[in-house]
Amino acid sequence: GQQLNQSPQSMFIQEGEDVSMNCTSSSIFNTWLWYKQDPGEGPVLLIALYKAGELTSNGRLTAQFGITRKDSFLNISASIPSDVGIYFCAIRGRDDKIIFGKGTRLHILP
Amino acid sequence: NAGVTQTPKFQVLKTGQSMTLQCAQDMNHNSMYWYRQDPGMGLRLIYYSASEGTTDKGEVPNGYNVSRLNKREFSLRLESAAPSQTSVYFCASRLLAGGSRSYEQYFGPGTRLTVT
Repeated sequence: GQQLNQSPQSMFIQEGEDVSMNCTSSSIFNTWLWYKQDPGEGPVLLIALYKAGELTSNGRLTAQFGITRKDSFLNISASIPSDVGIYFCAIRGRDDKIIFGKGTRLHILP
Repeated sequence: NAGVTQTPKFQVLKTGQSMTLQCAQDMNHNSMYWYRQDPGMGLRLIYYSASEGTTDKGEVPNGYNVSRLNKREFSLRLESAAPSQTSVYFCASRLLAGGSRSYEQYFGPGTRLTVT
């Protein structure tokens, strides 16, 4: 089946640091999505990418759709405490299914 | 608008018992989804429904059935619960339309299910 490899699995950073995480696949996809899940809640869409090479920003978040269409990355600049949570990449697969990666858990050290 | 609502929020079942998880959305969305979330496994798609009257299997459909009762409601049934079905279940919906947000799913708050 379709599988996404998301890394790292978890990150421990200091407040104010920049964060980078990525997602790769062995297959080509035309839509890449990045979601964030706060503790105890459902995921919320952060950024959607529809075109290879596209670079899209949402505040301090920037995501890129890889040229090969097999990867994507998400950067967070100048992290703040409310950035804590789980970040998921997702792709739109066959038959319009939306499949998620296993997530990157972000921790911010006081 | 309440968005996506799920009931119950918490449930404990004994092995072999059955139950139905309810999901409803008031956003007039076409597609609805059921996911389960386990530690370290991310969100895995159980079943989805692209429109009223249609349902399709996702990544992990075994042990579950679904019903798209109408455009608003999509229920998930466990006929004979097993400990392996202990998980957090999320329902989601999205509008099948063009535009930059057409793949945005809206998630419910989740149902935390424990099977003993």
